[in-house]
Formats: sequence, structure tokens, C-alpha cells
Amino acid sequence: AQKVTQAQTEISVVEKEDVTLDCVYETRDTTYYLFWYKQPPSGELVFLIRRNSFDEQNEISGRYSWNFQKSTSSFNFTITASQVVDSAVYFCALSEGTNAGKSTFGDGTTLTVKP
Amino acid sequence: KAGVTQTPRYLIKTRGQQVTLSCSPISGHRSVSWYQQTPGQGLQFLFEYFSETQRNKGNFPGRFSGRQFSNSRSEMNVSTLELGDSALYLCASSLEGGTNTGELFFGEGSRLTVL
Repeated sequence: AQKVTQAQTEISVVEKEDVTLDCVYETRDTTYYLFWYKQPPSGELVFLIRRNSFDEQNEISGRYSWNFQKSTSSFNFTITASQVVDSAVYFCALSEGTNAGKSTFGDGTTLTVKP
Repeated sequence: KAGVTQTPRYLIKTRGQQVTLSCSPISGHRSVSWYQQTPGQGLQFLFEYFSETQRNKGNFPGRFSGRQFSNSRSEMNVSTLELGDSALYLCASSLEGGTNTGELFFGEGSRLTVL
């Protein structure tokens, strides 16, 4: 069975600080996708980033960056220079094979960015 | 481009009743998935439809059912409602479908309260 663990339940930072959200996953699939989604108070989950299991290259996209390490089954997400608008619940998700339609989600990390 | 639309946004039912929730995916998306979100269980996969066929089903009782129409719109139904069915029901669509789906695009959800 697949599993996604987000050990950090809540994180609080002050604006402009960098923050890293941790994600550890378990799967028997050899090919899969990993995602990060953001859920603001409005409730709608918003896609942030996707990483394929066969591509461990870490990238930066604006203030977002991620560190995918297959050897440790981790997919951590970093927000640089956090802003108040980044306050939300962040979910890490793992697809079943390459079918993201059936994804397993972590319990989420609530990020609060204080001004 | 219109996003994923879910109706109704809020509804209140009593135990034993049934409810039908509707989801209109992004135009061109053929895969529609449903998730249940509760404080205690987090985000849990209900089922996924692709081209009017249920491709995957989560671990929910038979009271939970769904269908997809030829225009990719989807409905889910919960019969004989129980208090524990109170949740935010999220619909998500994806472009590629099949076994190579990309990221999910979520609607704002239908918040069901069972009294």
C-alpha cells in the first residue's frame, strides 16, 4: 500500500524567512509522480509542482524549489522568502503508478507566515 | 478558461437521506476523480472516472457511487447518509487521462453536513 507522511503538522515563520516542508513516501511502483498542492482557506487545492520518479533533478521555480531524493524516498518543498499569502495547508501527494487520478495524499502541513 | 465547477457548494442533510453532488471538469479533461476530506481522515480517494468508465475505486462502502457522462461531467451519490459522511467532497480533473495523468485540477468542493 502506498503511504505519504508529512511529519510537520504546523509550521509558523515570519515573513521573508525560508521554510522547508518535508515529505516521505512509500510505494512499490517503479514509476510514479510526486506532487505538492496548496490549499488556501477557500478550500480549493492548487497544484504547485510535479516530479517524475525517473527524474531526480532538483529545480527552482520562482520562490519554490524542491529536493527529490529517491534513495531516501523524500520529496521536500522549500519556499524562499515566504510571504503572508503563502499561509495555507500544503499537501504532498503520490500517484498510483503514473495515474495521478488516484493519488495518495499526506495529512498536510499548515503553514502560517506572520508579517 | 473555466476551472472545475462543483455544485452545490454547501448542503445540509439528515441521517438516512441521500445526496447527489455534481462536478464539471475543465473543458477537454476526460479524467475526473473524487476525494473526501475530513479533519480526522484527511484526503481520501473515492473513485476515478475516465471516458464514462469507473477506473478506480477507493475503500468506501457501496453507499458511495458515481458516474460520468459523455461530456465528462460527473456526479457522485451517497445514499443512507451517516453522520460520519460530513465532509468536504472534492472533485478533480486531469487532462491526459489513461495511465499517464498529469497534475490534478481541483474544484472548490461541496461541503456536506449531515445532522
